[in-house]
Amino acid sequence: QQQVKQSPQSLIVQKGGISIINCAYENTAFDYFPWYQQFPGKGPALLIAIRPDVSEKKEGRFTISFNKSAKQFSLHIMDSQPGDSATYFCAAGDTDKLIFGTGTRLQVFP
Amino acid sequence: DGGITQSPKYLFRKEGQNVTLSCEQNLNHDAMYWYRQDPGQGLRLIYYSQIVNDFQKGDIAEGYSVSREKKESFPLTVTSAQKNPTAFYLCASSPGQGRQPQHFGDGTRLSIL
Repeated sequence: QQQVKQSPQSLIVQKGGISIINCAYENTAFDYFPWYQQFPGKGPALLIAIRPDVSEKKEGRFTISFNKSAKQFSLHIMDSQPGDSATYFCAAGDTDKLIFGTGTRLQVFP
Repeated sequence: DGGITQSPKYLFRKEGQNVTLSCEQNLNHDAMYWYRQDPGQGLRLIYYSQIVNDFQKGDIAEGYSVSREKKESFPLTVTSAQKNPTAFYLCASSPGQGRQPQHFGDGTRLSIL
């Protein structure tokens, strides 16, 4: 019940395309859903986060869509750029900690 | 600049040896975390601390120990009881408990000689 399932494991997108990464959770106590971006040899950095009182949050080219009834949330990267090539992690938070998904390696080709 | 400093960046351990990974933050955050990252397994929580002199086990605490004597510092010791210690270790901090953005250091890569 503590798991966060993330898909796909890897994703290849052409420059200018839309990248979509999906996550699903089971524990209804989760009420904070961040996405992190990690470049090789670096720690993850917070990209965007959402709370379950809204269904969508947009920051620049990055959008989180949240479906509370389905217990799913996704990250959309519009107009994907080669600089977006990185590993992306979703997470779900409760009172104590975050539970992370297994990560998606995104490669954007020019 | 405020942030989290992890040292060393690379660390090698001999069989039967304990090693300690350093994590220091100057963000004035109350909560600190240690994660282990292995390829294809995401980030798994080892230990976390929400206040000085108190810490809790995460999902994979066996073979690890921590201390939280100062708000700024949260060192992790990988003991000889951890049979598969080769991994990338990440330290993070947040202003409060789970529903807060976590800020990460740039990690320590531990390998076995």
